[in-house]
Amino acid sequence: SQKIEQNSEALNIQEGKTATLTCNYTNYSPAYLQWYRQDPGRGPVFLLLIRENEKEKRKERLKVTFDTTLKQSLFHITASQPADSATYLCALRNTGGFKTIFGAGTRLFVKA
Amino acid sequence: DADVTQTPRNRITKTGKRIMLECSQTKGHDRMYWYRQDPGLGLRLIYYSFDVKDINKGEISDGYSVSRQAQAKFSLSLESAIPNQTALYFCATSDFPGPETQYFGPGTRLLVL
Repeated sequence: SQKIEQNSEALNIQEGKTATLTCNYTNYSPAYLQWYRQDPGRGPVFLLLIRENEKEKRKERLKVTFDTTLKQSLFHITASQPADSATYLCALRNTGGFKTIFGAGTRLFVKA
Repeated sequence: DADVTQTPRNRITKTGKRIMLECSQTKGHDRMYWYRQDPGLGLRLIYYSFDVKDINKGEISDGYSVSRQAQAKFSLSLESAIPNQTALYFCATSDFPGPETQYFGPGTRLLVL
């Protein structure tokens, strides 16, 4: 069955460092991979999208890589800030598919 | 104003009761979704609707029903609530065609006693 795995353990880093979150998937050939941010008690908010034919995408302090051979995406936040503390969800969608599937998310804590 | 709104934001109900969660959107999207979120399980799709006349079951539709009253409104009903339906419920919309980025509402926290 289709499966998305994100590290269930929280990631704790110091302010100013780079946070790296991992998303692995199996039994799926996504056309798009998306990253969302979710704060406690709120709905997920879209951050970045990367297509299957793209290796890397950047937006301000965010960078996403996509390796369809390894079936893995890495999400980086450079110069992290306490305000970046949240849960980050990985999501996949294939071409013509009727739904997006989501990972369970990784909780990030950035300490001042 | 928020693009996707949900009411109520919090609800406590008893086993066996029928309840309705409502969702409205001002994004003008045809596609709407209901998800439930449980700790450690991620978002799971309950129902989705591609337009007013097109409603489909998701992966966990048992015990739920939906109604698409208009392009902007999509409601979720629990016909006879049970405790394992205690969860956080999200409504979402998406644009089409394209990668269908999901736009989520603020969520409804439901507790079934």
